[in-house]
Amino acid sequence: DGGITQSPKYLFRKEGQNVTLSCEQNLNHDAMYWYRQDPGQGLRLIYYSQIVNDFQKGDIAEGYSVSREKKESFPLTVTSAQKNPTAFYLCASSSTSAEKLFFGSGTQLSVL
Amino acid sequence: LAKTTQPISMDSYEGQEVNITCSHNNIATNDYITWYQRFPSQGPRFIIQGYKTKVTNEVASLFIPADRKSSTLSLPRVSLSDTAVYYCLVGQWGYGNKLVFGAGTILRVKS
Repeated sequence: DGGITQSPKYLFRKEGQNVTLSCEQNLNHDAMYWYRQDPGQGLRLIYYSQIVNDFQKGDIAEGYSVSREKKESFPLTVTSAQKNPTAFYLCASSSTSAEKLFFGSGTQLSVL
Repeated sequence: LAKTTQPISMDSYEGQEVNITCSHNNIATNDYITWYQRFPSQGPRFIIQGYKTKVTNEVASLFIPADRKSSTLSLPRVSLSDTAVYYCLVGQWGYGNKLVFGAGTILRVKS
């Protein structure tokens, strides 16, 4: 089955710790995205990447970092600089010819 | 960036038609309107997309008036399994930072 896989489903972070959320897709999509959702709010864009080795900041990139070394993978690191990391994180991808996003099932990040 | 406004929640009964409206007053000429459905613990799933007038597929219809400042998602004869959050998305393709998600409408279908 083609799709997007996010892992882990639940993640806990200690104060001052960096954590990395995984996102892998086998849809051969060029573009990948990371969104954050807080309760009662819409999805907000953290980072996006249109091609390998290139990525752009979204609306709330502070405290986060990404890499895009492979077309299939777009990991998100939540750094210690992100003071309020507790949220639900969604990864998505799209092809350049299609006009819709495909989403993973998300990762719930909580602070211990 | 086109900001969207949707009702926070709606209730319906099985078998009824449900219409969810999204306002996007500052939609740009090249923006498309896309609706997604989301179940708990899952990512959003594409439902339908349009630019103007009416679009229909096997699960929904999308009505867009001439001024494009709003759009209405229509779900015919809903069932309990249609209980979900519905998101209205406005933006251009190829510009990831211009895609704007609304807060979503919680649709509760009752028997």
